Order: sequence, then structure tokens, then C-alpha cells
Amino acid sequence: QVQLVESGGGVVQPGRSLRLSCSASGFTFGRYTMHWVRQAPGKGLEWVAVISYNGGYEWFADSVQGRVTISRDNSKNALYLEMNTLRDEDTAVYYCARGIRTVQYFPADAFDLWGQGTMVIVSS
Amino acid sequence: DIVMTQSPDSLAVSLGERATINCKSSQTVLYTSSNKNYLAWYQQKPGQPPKLLISWASTRESGVPDRFSGSGSGTDFTLTINNLQAEDVAIYYCQQYYNTPNNFGQGTKLEIK
Repeated sequence: QVQLVESGGGVVQPGRSLRLSCSASGFTFGRYTMHWVRQAPGKGLEWVAVISYNGGYEWFADSVQGRVTISRDNSKNALYLEMNTLRDEDTAVYYCARGIRTVQYFPADAFDLWGQGTMVIVSS
Repeated sequence: DIVMTQSPDSLAVSLGERATINCKSSQTVLYTSSNKNYLAWYQQKPGQPPKLLISWASTRESGVPDRFSGSGSGTDFTLTINNLQAEDVAIYYCQQYYNTPNNFGQGTKLEIK
């Protein structure tokens, strides 16, 4: 069925790195702009990053700019988020999400498909 | 950045009654060239990811009950839930996608009175 499944979360010390993955199935992954959105415990939603359908364009939230990279492998229907120099405030559930508009690159978009999320805890 | 502000932060409504949630953007999210408002509404139940209810301010997603409706234009928007059901208990978020960053409102917690 149409779904997104995240993995790679865990407990990591401040300053270390972590790579999250998102596996897509049930739809033509390569046609969609993809996003990462996070949610700190008990808090609201914060958009993190976006990558165009072909991987050629990216955009990041100021809170993570310079510390994260986003990438995708359309041959594997996979999305990634590499997070470096992790901080306490990066502790959150990280969701991958699909933009509602296809093929063209829209860094700003609504999100019509979400994964269940993967928890990242930054703690010493 | 466009700041999204929801009101109220929480509300309690009786079963079968109407719930109204407001969302205000710090600048317009209406593209005049397309006459479309780049505003979405989500529902998030405990332990679940958000679910898109409404896009383009008033377009219900497939499968969303018609008791959910969105309205508004420019900077002021409303999510209305008619005939409130027990399964509507959730946190509701608005989000602008007029430009990046894709900012969300702080959320409105809806409970049953």
C-alpha cells in the first residue's frame, strides 16, 4: 500500500551524527518532492528540510541549516536525512512527508502522506 | 518568515455541536495570480502522524468527512467541524505553504465537553 516508513532514530550524544532513512512504497516516488518534519516531545510541528523530486534542489530550516543534509535515491525509493553536530533541541520525532504537488519543484507545499516517524533523542 | 497563529489553544465542545478553530497568518498566503490560498489543515491524534484534512484553504482531502470544512482567504482562516464526534478529539494544525519555511500554527487541542 501507499506508505512511508522511517528508520534510523535512536539515542545519540550531543555533537554526534545520525542518519535517518525513509522508505517509500505504493506510489511513484520519483515524481514527488519530499520533506522532513519534526515534532519535539509534547510540542508542535516544525518543518526541517525539502528535496526536489529529482534531488537537484534542497531547502532547509534555519534551525538546522549547515548541520543537516537531505538526499534521495529514486532507484531505491528512499529518502535520507543526515544530521550532524546534534544538539539537545534536535530531540524529536522525525517524520518524512510527501508534498502534494508532483514533478515540479515546490519547496513550500502541503503534505498528504506521512510516515509513522522515528524518534531521535540527543542526550549525554 | 510567515508566522501562523491559531486560536484558541484549546477548546471543549459537546458531542454533536460545532467546533471552530481559527488561524491567522502574519502575511497573505493568497496568490493573486491563481486566486489560491496556500493554507492547509491537519489533524493529529495521540501517537499518530498528522493527517491532511484540507488543502488550498477549503479543499477536503479524499475520505475526509464532510463535517470538516475550511474557509477564509488572505490572512484569516477557519476550520469548522460540524456535528462533533468522539473520534474528532485531536490536535489541529494549520500550515502555510505560500513560501518557505513551511510554518505551522502552534496547534489547537480539541476535547469533548
